[in-house]
Amino acid sequence: NAGVTQTPKFRILKIGQSMTLQCTQDMNHNYMYWYRQDPGMGLKLIYYSVGAGITDKGEVPNGYNVSRSTTEDFPLRLELAAPSQTSVYFCASSPTSLEGYFGPGTRLTVL
Amino acid sequence: GENVEQHPSTLSVQEGDSAVIKCTYSDSASNYFPWYKQELGKRPQLIIDIRSNVGEKKDQRIAVTLNKTAKHFSLHITETQPEDSAVYFCAASKGSASKIIFGSGTRLSIRP
Repeated sequence: NAGVTQTPKFRILKIGQSMTLQCTQDMNHNYMYWYRQDPGMGLKLIYYSVGAGITDKGEVPNGYNVSRSTTEDFPLRLELAAPSQTSVYFCASSPTSLEGYFGPGTRLTVL
Repeated sequence: GENVEQHPSTLSVQEGDSAVIKCTYSDSASNYFPWYKQELGKRPQLIIDIRSNVGEKKDQRIAVTLNKTAKHFSLHITETQPEDSAVYFCAASKGSASKIIFGSGTRLSIRP
């Protein structure tokens, strides 16, 4: 199993641009999560999903959107990128909503 | 919603000594408490977890304790080694259909 994969690994965006961060897991996990980690800081939950077709807001959802059309994929959409969205984004999945398996992260810079 | 506080934010210990990291949570319904280790530039990885029906759990040099009454839990690392240097995160979850909320992290440095 590849586990949780994320693309791209790095991205630089200009203010106002949009992009989608991709996350795929091949472990058939129902639960998937998006976190952001600002430099030297902890993990803040952006959105999560308990199964295909179901998503819910986390601690910091503003400026982001998600969808969950399949069990495997949980893309995160940034509309109108702002410098405050400069961060490392981690996707995670879990079979039980307990332990999380993290992807390698996407480092995003908004200039 | 759930709030998890973690202390200290940084910790430096002599190699071979013990390290203790403490977390408190706010939601008494939380019943699962994992700990993650994040090495520099890498993803967080689960190192140990504890459920609310258990007071203590050990795995070689690491252990976690839980006090449900006080709503706090701790990570203990004994006989610390250089490879223990990392950022450690505690987290809390209410289980089924719930989200995992993380503490702010502790940067642990092991002095040779």
